Amino acid sequence: GQQVMQIPQYQHVQEGEDFTTYCNSSTTLSNIQWYKQRPGGHPVFLIQLVKSGEVKKQKRLTFQFGEAKKNSSLHITATQTTDVGTYFCAMDSNYQLIWGAGTKLIIKP
Amino acid sequence: EAQVTQNPRYLITVTGKKLTVTCSQNMNHEYMSWYRQDPGLGLRQIYYSMNVEVTDKGDVPEGYKVSRKEKRNFPLILESPSPNQTSLYFCASTPHGRVSNEQFFGPGTRLTVL
Repeated sequence: GQQVMQIPQYQHVQEGEDFTTYCNSSTTLSNIQWYKQRPGGHPVFLIQLVKSGEVKKQKRLTFQFGEAKKNSSLHITATQTTDVGTYFCAMDSNYQLIWGAGTKLIIKP
Repeated sequence: EAQVTQNPRYLITVTGKKLTVTCSQNMNHEYMSWYRQDPGLGLRQIYYSMNVEVTDKGDVPEGYKVSRKEKRNFPLILESPSPNQTSLYFCASTPHGRVSNEQFFGPGTRLTVL
């Protein structure tokens, strides 16, 4: 079946450093969604990207959708402790969402 | 307050003892689904329902049952739980009969099967 690969699995950063997670699909995506899950919490919707080459920003978060609509990235500038959690991408496949395995953002003490 | 609720939040049970995890949403959403989350595997869909009396298998339906008799409720049933069903379970809903919309998640149910 369809899959979306998400890397890296973990990223350790010092507070104030940047963070990036990537999602790749072998097939063209109709859209892609991004979610954040805080430790002990549930996934919370961040954004949906629909158009080829689309770039959207939410404060320090920048989301991109590739020109070929096969890949997407989430970049966080100057991480803060409130950014800690796992970030997931999810792609729309007929009547299901197919999820990446997630990237866990860990802030080094 | 618009929300998805799940009960129980935590459950420890033994192999073979039937259990039901309830899910309810108060947003009049058509689409509801169940996921399980295991370390390193992300979220995997168990079952989904596009509307009342319409349910379909997701990627990992074995050992689970669901029903959708009312729009707001979507219970997950484990007829004979086994240890490999130990996991974190999430119920989710979305306004329309497709998933290309924001999913609203319940708080999760952590199930341990001994």
